[in-house]
Amino acid sequence: EDQVTQSPEALRLQEGESSSLNCSYTVSGLRGLFWYRQDPGKGPEFLFTLYSAGEEKEKERLKATLTKKESFLHITAPKPEDSATYLCAANNYGQNFVFGPGTRLSVLP
Amino acid sequence: GAGVSQTPSNKVTEKGKYVELRCDPISGHTALYWYRQSLGQGPEFLIYFQGTGAADDSGLPNDRFFAVRPEGSVSTLKIQRTERGDSAVYLCASSLGGLGETQYFGPGTRLLVL
Repeated sequence: EDQVTQSPEALRLQEGESSSLNCSYTVSGLRGLFWYRQDPGKGPEFLFTLYSAGEEKEKERLKATLTKKESFLHITAPKPEDSATYLCAANNYGQNFVFGPGTRLSVLP
Repeated sequence: GAGVSQTPSNKVTEKGKYVELRCDPISGHTALYWYRQSLGQGPEFLIYFQGTGAADDSGLPNDRFFAVRPEGSVSTLKIQRTERGDSAVYLCASSLGGLGETQYFGPGTRLLVL
């Protein structure tokens, strides 16, 4: 059965303190690994798609990387406005997205 | 509109009542998805439409849940005989093509069953 887990469940950082979020997946044939950001009371907002091991994508202070079993979302010098829940989702060929439970990130000023 | 819209934004109903939740996808997107999200959890897949037809409804929890997309654009999720356990945020997403393409989400409908 396809499964996605994320760690840590919650993370508190000081402004400027870099860290990484982990997304581990077990799917039989990964087609794409997706990262979303979700603010309280809002729908998920698309960040990145990764398709193959070794691929990296960047957007402002965020960088997503992919290996054969996991993906990392690296946050460099975060700001309070980066506080949100970060969701990852794995897509198996011909199947629907399977989401992880998310990591709740708080960045303190 | 530029994004996916959902109405109502909030819905409070009583146990046993019938509710309809509406989703208006991004113009031109052929695929539409419904998810359910409980507090502290990631979205859980319910149903996927490609055009007017339900291509995969394997995530619908039981026969009280039904969804339609009669003209291949707007979709309605219908829940009969609501139960307190149906309380959740119902999210709709759309994608330009089919499975595997980036899904863009609406703001969700928060359903509370009393």
